[in-house]
This record gives sequence, structure tokens and C-alpha cells, in this order.
Amino acid sequence: AQSVTQLGSHVSVSEGALVLLRCNYSSSVPPYLFWYVQYPNQGLQLLLKYTSAATLVKGINGFEAEFKKSETSFHLTKPSAHMSDAAEYFCAVRGSGGGADGLTFGKGTHLIIQP
Amino acid sequence: KAGVTQTPRYLIKTRGQQVTLSCSPISGHRSVSWYQQTPGQGLQFLFEYFSETQRNKGNFPGRFSGRQFSNSRSEMNVSTLELGDSALYLCASSLGDGGNTIYFGEGSWLTVV
Repeated sequence: AQSVTQLGSHVSVSEGALVLLRCNYSSSVPPYLFWYVQYPNQGLQLLLKYTSAATLVKGINGFEAEFKKSETSFHLTKPSAHMSDAAEYFCAVRGSGGGADGLTFGKGTHLIIQP
Repeated sequence: KAGVTQTPRYLIKTRGQQVTLSCSPISGHRSVSWYQQTPGQGLQFLFEYFSETQRNKGNFPGRFSGRQFSNSRSEMNVSTLELGDSALYLCASSLGDGGNTIYFGEGSWLTVV
């Protein structure tokens, strides 16, 4: 069974500071990994995904994440936070067994940007 | 290119009733999956359809069902509604392989009273 742990249900950073959202996964097979963002009253928007190509993945809005197999981690970072980054962020894993597998999501991290 | 479209966006139902939610995937996508989002349980996978066949199902009671039509549009149905079914129901579509990007719709907000 797959699982995702996101450390910190709330993370607060100052505008312009580094954003680091942590995600650890467990999977019996090499996984596909995703980060999604959800703004209030909206659906999920894909930030980036890892599919066993480069371990450092660049996404939209200046976000990137690094896949570290030895640490079973896929942390999301952004060098400089912007007020518009305030949202809920979800890490998700999907087994590489096939497209039928649903996404297993973490509990989410609420990112707060302090002016 | 139009995104994933879900209807209705908001609805209120009474306990014991049933509800049907509709989803139109991105053109060309043959996989449609459904998720339930609640404050307590977070995002949970309901089921996935590909070419009109259910390929996978999450851990939900049989009151939750779905189907997919030949044009890839999908519906999900919840019968005998309970208060705990109040949630945001998200539909997602993809090309169908595991590494493909999964695109989500805006969701349907269901309130059961």
C-alpha cells in the first residue's frame, strides 16, 4: 500500500523567503510523484510531477522538487515566496503499475505568506 | 483546449436522497477518476474509469457508483445520502497511463442536510 506524509499542516514564511514543503512517501514500487496546489473554492492544479526521468523537477510558478529515493522524499521548494503562493499544497503518489491506480494524497500543507 | 468540466458546481440534498454528478474530461482523455475531499479525511480516491470500464475502486461503500460513456464523459451517483457524504467531489481526467498528468476539475460541492 502506498502512503504520503506531509510534515506540517501549516507553514508560514515571509514574502521573499524560501518556501520548503516536505513530503515523504512509501511505495512498494518506484512511484510517480506529484505536487498539486489548491486555491480556495477551486480544484487542484498540477505544479509538477516526477516520472523517473530527472530527479530534480521544475514546475510552474517557480516551484521545483527533488526526488530522493534513499530518503523516500519529494520536497517542494521555491526560492522566493510571493503573496500569491498562499494556498493549500498536496503531495500525491501513484504506483507505476498502471494508469488504473488512483492518486494517494497527503493531508495537505497550508502555506501562509507573511507580508 | 477546454479543461475538465463538472456540473453542477453546488447542490444541496436531503438525507436519504440520491445525487448524480457529471464530468466532461479534456478532449482525447479516456481515463476519468473521481475523488472525495472532506476536512476530516482529506482527498480520497473513489474510482477510475477507462474506455467505459471501471479499472479500480477505492474503499467506499456500494452507495457510491459511477459510469463512463462512449464519449468518455462520466457520472457518479451516490444513493441514500448521509450527512457524512457532504464533501467536494472532484473529477479528474488523463490519457490513462500511470505517469500521465492528471487534470482536475473545479469540483462539485455537495451539502447533505
